[in-house]
Amino acid sequence: GENVEQHPSTLSVQEGDSAVIKCTYSDSASNYFPWYKQELGKRPQLIIDIRSNVGEKKDQRIAVTLNKTAKHFSLHITETQPEDSAVYFCAASSDYKLSFGAGTTVTVRA
Amino acid sequence: DAMVIQNPRYQVTQFGKPVTLSCSQTLNHNVMYWYQQKSSQAPKLLFHYYDKDFNNEADTPDNFQSRRPNTSFCFLDIRSPGLGDAAMYLCATSIPRATTSSYEQYFGPGTRLTVT
Repeated sequence: GENVEQHPSTLSVQEGDSAVIKCTYSDSASNYFPWYKQELGKRPQLIIDIRSNVGEKKDQRIAVTLNKTAKHFSLHITETQPEDSAVYFCAASSDYKLSFGAGTTVTVRA
Repeated sequence: DAMVIQNPRYQVTQFGKPVTLSCSQTLNHNVMYWYQQKSSQAPKLLFHYYDKDFNNEADTPDNFQSRRPNTSFCFLDIRSPGLGDAAMYLCATSIPRATTSSYEQYFGPGTRLTVT
């Protein structure tokens, strides 16, 4: 089955700086890569996703890049704000099941 | 608004006392999932329904069962809850995108289960 590794497990950044989270996957058949943000006690929310026919996607301060050859993808958050503090999960999928990374706890320091 | 609804949001049960969690959706999605999430961990898939077809994950304990009486509703039954079953239980739904064949999953708010 698919194995997704996510790094780092914790990330502390100064407000206004950028945050980068990296994930690698094992199954070359994976073609869909969503990122979820989960605040304490709340549901995971899809913040951005990318499909294997695209190398980069951007939505305001959030961007995701995908390198299919190397089997890794990354989340970039620019101009971080306190409300970006949360746990972020990457995932990979080749069908209707998601394989999640272990999560990254992001703390934005004011 | 179309959404995924879970009831109750908080459930307290006694050790060994059966409990049922419910999920409903107004999205008309054909796939429904149940995840277990413990603190600081990723959601762990327990099982899913693709339409009426039930699919159990290999490592899901027999203590957990599910029912999907119709497209809109799905239930998680825990027959004899143990202390280790205390967790957040998340329901999710998805539908295949014809143009991309990918499945975006939409999560409900979750049910926090406490076992005393």
